[in-house]
Amino acid sequence: AQTVTQSQPEMSVQEAETVTLSCTYDTSENNYYLFWYKQPPSRQMILVIRQEAYKQQNATENRFSVNFQKAAKSFSLKISDSQLGDTAMYFCAFLYNNNDMRFGAGTRLTVKP
Amino acid sequence: DGGITQSPKYLFRKEGQNVTLSCEQNLNHDAMYWYRQDPGQGLRLIYYSQIVNDFQKGDIAEGYSVSREKKESFPLTVTSAQKNPTAFYLCASRETAFREQYFGPGTRLTVT
Repeated sequence: AQTVTQSQPEMSVQEAETVTLSCTYDTSENNYYLFWYKQPPSRQMILVIRQEAYKQQNATENRFSVNFQKAAKSFSLKISDSQLGDTAMYFCAFLYNNNDMRFGAGTRLTVKP
Repeated sequence: DGGITQSPKYLFRKEGQNVTLSCEQNLNHDAMYWYRQDPGQGLRLIYYSQIVNDFQKGDIAEGYSVSREKKESFPLTVTSAQKNPTAFYLCASRETAFREQYFGPGTRLTVT
């Protein structure tokens, strides 16, 4: 069974600093996709970044980047120059076919002014 | 504007009553999904549909039912058989060529 683990229930960071959120997953599959979703207080789920397992290059989207370690089954999210609007729950998600998306329990990130 | 709408935002029902949550998308996506979110947990898949008139059970389908009569619509019925229906429900859709799912704003259901 595919599982996703986020070991940090809560984290905080000062505005303008950098923070890294951890995610590990367990799978025997070779081809899959990984995502980070953000859920602000409005509870709207927003896609932050995605990574294809067959790509060695780490994905980057503006201030958001990932450190994808396939052998270690690790997929961490780095947020640079943190902004107050980054305060949210962050969910790591694993997809190994088109329809079976597994989510971690989430990390609550607070950006402090 | 293209997107996914869910209504209502908040829904209250008495125990023993069935209730239907609405999900509509105008993104022309083929696949649609229903998730349940409980405090301290990630999202769990209830049902999904890849095409009109076809749907599949997810991990926690017991006590729920769905229909997919139109591409744009995927309503979820929470039946009285669902033991703990109070939760936040999220609908999502996906374009066939891509893997990421896009989510609606959610419906908070409270059953007392």
